[in-house]
Amino acid sequence: GQSLEQPSEVTAVEGAIVQINCTYQTSGFYGLSWYQQHDGGAPTFLSYNGLDGLEETGRFSSFLSRSDSYGYLLLQELQMKDSASYFCAVRDRDNQAGTALIFGKGTTLSVSS
Amino acid sequence: NAGVTQTPKFQVLKTGQSMTLQCAQDMNHEYMSWYRQDPGMGLRLIHYSVGAGITDQGEVPNGYNVSRSTTEDFPLRLLSAAPSQTSVYFCASRGSTGTSPEAFFGQGTRLTVV
Repeated sequence: GQSLEQPSEVTAVEGAIVQINCTYQTSGFYGLSWYQQHDGGAPTFLSYNGLDGLEETGRFSSFLSRSDSYGYLLLQELQMKDSASYFCAVRDRDNQAGTALIFGKGTTLSVSS
Repeated sequence: NAGVTQTPKFQVLKTGQSMTLQCAQDMNHEYMSWYRQDPGMGLRLIHYSVGAGITDQGEVPNGYNVSRSTTEDFPLRLLSAAPSQTSVYFCASRGSTGTSPEAFFGQGTRLTVV
């Protein structure tokens, strides 16, 4: 089986930096992904870490430590439009060698001015 | 390029009715999945497929059937709708192992069972 833990809510102000943590337990591991979902919208892909270390994409970065079963999403220079839900997701060996993603329950980020 | 298309966008069913949620993708992706999203529960995997003719159960498969006769289409059937199936349903597709890890989602079907 698999489980992912992430905080349910995070609040921050415009221009700040926020980190959303994700810890996971899986029977196998093929990588950690992050998705963003605005209210009423579909999830959209942000980043993927298959190996340990930091991946940077503009204002967003994602980190993975496989030995700690831990990752985080770092959002810098926060803007109001970053207010959304953020999900970590893993590909797990249980699902036919990692073909389907398993998602955490999501972190709601609220950015205020 | 349409990506992943789900129909309908909204649906109201009476308890006991059956219906099929449609999902089609035009990216030639091997992997397709169905999720349901309920408040505070994240996205839960219902069924998934690794290619035409091959499907498997996810975390919450009871009350749902799927089939995959073509690469493009992956319909989800509700056999006898129950109020507990009131949810937002998302279909997703992804390329096979070795391609991009990005999954693409449809815009969702908002289903209410009364």
